[in-house]
Amino acid sequence: SAVISQKPSRDICQRGTSLTIQCQVDSQVTMMFWYRQQPGQSLTLIATANQGSEATYESGFVIDKFPISRPNLTFSTLTVSNMSPEDSSIYLCSVGLTREEQFFGPGTRLTVL
Amino acid sequence: EDQVTQSPEALRLQEGESSSLNCSYTVSGLRGLFWYRQDPGKGPEFLFTLYSAGEEKEKERLKATLTKKESFLHITAPKPEDSATYLCAVQGSSSASKIIFGSGTRLSIRP
Repeated sequence: SAVISQKPSRDICQRGTSLTIQCQVDSQVTMMFWYRQQPGQSLTLIATANQGSEATYESGFVIDKFPISRPNLTFSTLTVSNMSPEDSSIYLCSVGLTREEQFFGPGTRLTVL
Repeated sequence: EDQVTQSPEALRLQEGESSSLNCSYTVSGLRGLFWYRQDPGKGPEFLFTLYSAGEEKEKERLKATLTKKESFLHITAPKPEDSATYLCAVQGSSSASKIIFGSGTRLSIRP
């Protein structure tokens, strides 16, 4: 397994602003993912964060709205841009040595007013 | 299209009362089926991966089983600390297949 930390743990933001969420892992990992969990719902994959190249986005998610950086094998950021109340959600970072077994960070709870 | 359906949505049990959670799935070639536990305000905690029908895995009071169409998470003599949401997820055999999560079962164990 891996120890994963996220910052911030929670935030309340005004609509139209942007928030960058950080994910730090205690060891080098090949695969890093970003998920969204809307209130009362399950997890939806936003994108795979690729080290040294552009992230791979899932259907319904675009780089302009959710830019992702992954400068090395232990760190990634997800930015939620031009936020609206519909972006209120928990954002989770996960890592895996293989795609099958993923370990999740504690999440960032975002509220947009 | 890959799909995961979990039932029931919520389950309330008395401490010591055994039961099972269901995960029905549709996937084109199963690469793996996963169970996670999620406590309120926290990220999911990995429990098990099952790869083929007939496989079983155990951890303390939990046992996960797999058939070609569904998986069960059996909980034996549960304790209040087992209260959590249990998530099932699947990945198909396509190299591009993402992991699809079910909506979860909220389990509550009364002392």
